[in-house]
Parts: sequence; structure tokens; C-alpha cells
Amino acid sequence: NAGVMQNPRHLVRRRGQEARLRCSPMKGHSHVYWYRQLPEEGLKFMVYLQKENIIDESGMPKERFSAEFPKEGPSILRIQQVVRGDSAAYFCASSQYRGNEQFFGPGTRLTVL
Amino acid sequence: GENVEQHPSTLSVQEGDSAVIKCTYSDSASNYFPWYKQELGKGPQLIIDIRSNVGEKKDQRIAVTLNKTAKHFSLHITETQPEDSAVYFCAASPPNDYKLSFGAGTTVTVRA
Repeated sequence: NAGVMQNPRHLVRRRGQEARLRCSPMKGHSHVYWYRQLPEEGLKFMVYLQKENIIDESGMPKERFSAEFPKEGPSILRIQQVVRGDSAAYFCASSQYRGNEQFFGPGTRLTVL
Repeated sequence: GENVEQHPSTLSVQEGDSAVIKCTYSDSASNYFPWYKQELGKGPQLIIDIRSNVGEKKDQRIAVTLNKTAKHFSLHITETQPEDSAVYFCAASPPNDYKLSFGAGTTVTVRA
């Protein structure tokens, strides 16, 4: 019974490159949430997706960031033209139903050089 | 939006002693309060949660208390063990919502 899977676990990018972070929810879960954790801080909500739909992207920067959750395959958080301030841990969570009982993946730690 | 504050930021306890972490929240409508444990290099793991229709919940060595009037809730770990060493996060969420608002975390170190 695999939990939430994220890959890669660590990602290093130079300024201006693109970062793609992947998240496979728990089996049977169709709701995915992305959170960002800056050093020494708690997690901050970014975006909530259900299969093929973005439900709420109010926590995601309007520029350079996008997210998708296609019918087949993992959810992807995409950051274009990365800057040093994007360096953080990005966590994905999933739930069976829309709601707050969420299960988190191990995270992707993005470092921008 | 909801604002959650968590104290202390670091906590060192002797093995066998108790540890208490406190959180306050701002949105009186919030009714779901989970606690997560995050070990180094891993994602947050839900360890216990409480809803506003109860004041206390226990699960073996951990317990959570909630005071809705004062808008604060606490995590209690008794008989601490070295494997309890981790970062603990509290969170709050309004009813029928999915956005979890997290505290900044408490780094707990259990000294053997």
C-alpha cells in the first residue's frame, strides 16, 4: 500500500532553468494539494487539484508557476525560469475526498544555484 | 485568512519526561486541528488530530487538547523516547475546507 510518491527527491537547477516536480497520490485518492516549505517555516498552501481540474490556485505565484493533474499520470508542479528564492521543499499531499485529512509525500527539495 | 502561531520553536527534554507544544489560531471558524511529525528528510506524517466537537483526544503517549474559547490547542507527549525527536507542526483548517494553515514548527530533541 504505497503512500504518496514524489520525485525527484532532490533537484538542482541553475537560475533561468525549468523545474518539474512530480507527485503520485495514494491509491484511490483523486485530490492533490501542493505546499511549499521555506527554511525554518511551516508549509504554505499553493494549489489544489482534482483529476484534470485546478480547483484552487490562490497560493501559487501567478508568474512562472503552473500545476496540472492529468487524467493519466502524476500531478506536476512546474516552475519556469527558476530564481534563487524558489529554493524550498515542495510537498504534495493527497486525500480520498475533498477535505483536510491529507497524507503527505516525502517532498522534493529544490535548490537553485 | 487563518494565522497559526506555534511555541516553542525548539524544545529539549530528558528521555522519559513530557513535552508540550502550544499553538494558537486566529479564525474562530476553524474546526479541524491536526498535528504532524516530520523527521529529517521526510514528509510530514499525521500523528493525531482533533475536531472542535471534542476537547481532548489521546492515542497512547500522545494527546491533544483544544480550547475553542481561547483559540489554542496543545500537543502533549508523555514518557518521551529518542525516536520522538523530530519537528512537529500544528495546523488548523475551517470547516469544509482543504487549506491547512501550518505553524512554523517545533524542533523536539529527546536527550538520552
